[in-house]
Amino acid sequence: QVQLVESGGGVVQPGGSLRLSCAASGFTFNNYGMHWVRQAPGKGLEWVAFILYDGSNKYYADSVKGRFTISRDNSKNTLYLRMNSLKAEDTAMYYCAKDDSSYSSSSFDYWGQGTLVTVSS
Amino acid sequence: AIQLTQSPSSLSASVGDRVTITCRASQGISSALAWYQQKPGRAPKLLIYDASLLESGVPSRFSGSGSGTDFTLTISSLQPEDFATYYCQQFNTYPLTFGGGTKVEI
Repeated sequence: QVQLVESGGGVVQPGGSLRLSCAASGFTFNNYGMHWVRQAPGKGLEWVAFILYDGSNKYYADSVKGRFTISRDNSKNTLYLRMNSLKAEDTAMYYCAKDDSSYSSSSFDYWGQGTLVTVSS
Repeated sequence: AIQLTQSPSSLSASVGDRVTITCRASQGISSALAWYQQKPGRAPKLLIYDASLLESGVPSRFSGSGSGTDFTLTISSLQPEDFATYYCQQFNTYPLTFGGGTKVEI
């Protein structure tokens, strides 16, 4: 069965950096695009970033563009999110999600359990 | 960015009720819309994709309709396990966006 397991969250000071990981199993990882989605405490869902199945194309929300970098290692079945210049408003639960499509964004058919990032001094 | 406006933001209903949630896009998105259910402390779960297609394993009391700018999620007979928050999401244009959510309460 499909499993997505995020890790790497924690408490970081404003201006700091963090790298999140998402270990995937139960499907052919290098056949599907992958997303990061976040949810601030008590708030709705916000899409963060997408990477195509082969890493050739990446897209970002305006709120994180230039600060966050999505990447993947298909040899390790792992998705990453490098987060730099963190702000208090980046505090959220971060979910990785599998796209239903190989070649473009579609719906998100599987989600991880999330990893919590708290930006605070 | 395409804005998705869900209404209502919350509703109270009883077991057995028919519930309808709407999602309006600020510009046309064809059928590039999905619906998710989220329960407290849990990750979202895909219910409907491509506006009207039922995800495998999702009960048939859930249905979706619409295209262009106006979409609807319907629960034909609300069950106790359906009390949750529901989100629409468009995948027609980057940045991808979610609606603000509809909380379905008892």
